[in-house]
Amino acid sequence: EIVLTQSPATLSLSPGERATLSCRASQSVSSYLAWYQQKPGQAPRLLIYDASNRATGIPARFSGSGSGTDFTLTISSLEPEDFAVYYCQQRRTFGQGTKVEIK
Amino acid sequence: QVQLQESGPGLVKPSGTLSLTCAVSGGSISSSNWWSWVRQPPGKGLEWIGEIYHSGSTNYNPSLKSRVTISVDKSKNQFSLKLSSVTAADTAVYYCARDLESESYYYYMDVWGKGTTVTVSS
Repeated sequence: EIVLTQSPATLSLSPGERATLSCRASQSVSSYLAWYQQKPGQAPRLLIYDASNRATGIPARFSGSGSGTDFTLTISSLEPEDFAVYYCQQRRTFGQGTKVEIK
Repeated sequence: QVQLQESGPGLVKPSGTLSLTCAVSGGSISSSNWWSWVRQPPGKGLEWIGEIYHSGSTNYNPSLKSRVTISVDKSKNQFSLKLSSVTAADTAVYYCARDLESESYYYYMDVWGKGTTVTVSS
């Protein structure tokens, strides 16, 4: 069973700053990794799939990279609506989430 | 545009069976997608429960497999979740989702229902 470990648990940043979120898999998952954003009281939203492809309608400030066991979600310049919890996912396994909060 | 809507009782008694349905609109459940159930306990992360293909093929989370049944009703364009012998630990928001096949022939959850809260309590 694959385990996904996200870091940090919480990221405190200001609007306009760059956010870098990490997801590490316990074994290679090639490029089969997704990132989701979840805001309070809402369902998760697919941001990135196949490690680096933006889903439909996702702004260009969101980018994903990595392959094998190490993956990164980058938000180039945080907008107020980007403060949320982010999960990585590999098929049937989710990471524990990273909360991006306003500093 | 495909939309999903969960429905079912919001309160289930301990040792009872949780039953939820996900109605699919704007598309056919017989399309080449898997259909999943995911849950989220209060204040916690996401847990995959299981998935079904329109043919009836299923995959379940090993930790829940003995208690979970997912079925599909193509005539009603919906799929359902049953979770038996529930306890307070099964209290969660339950989401249904569509697993869309990507260009790499892998599956990702691109459409989600709004979620429904199920509380297990006497």
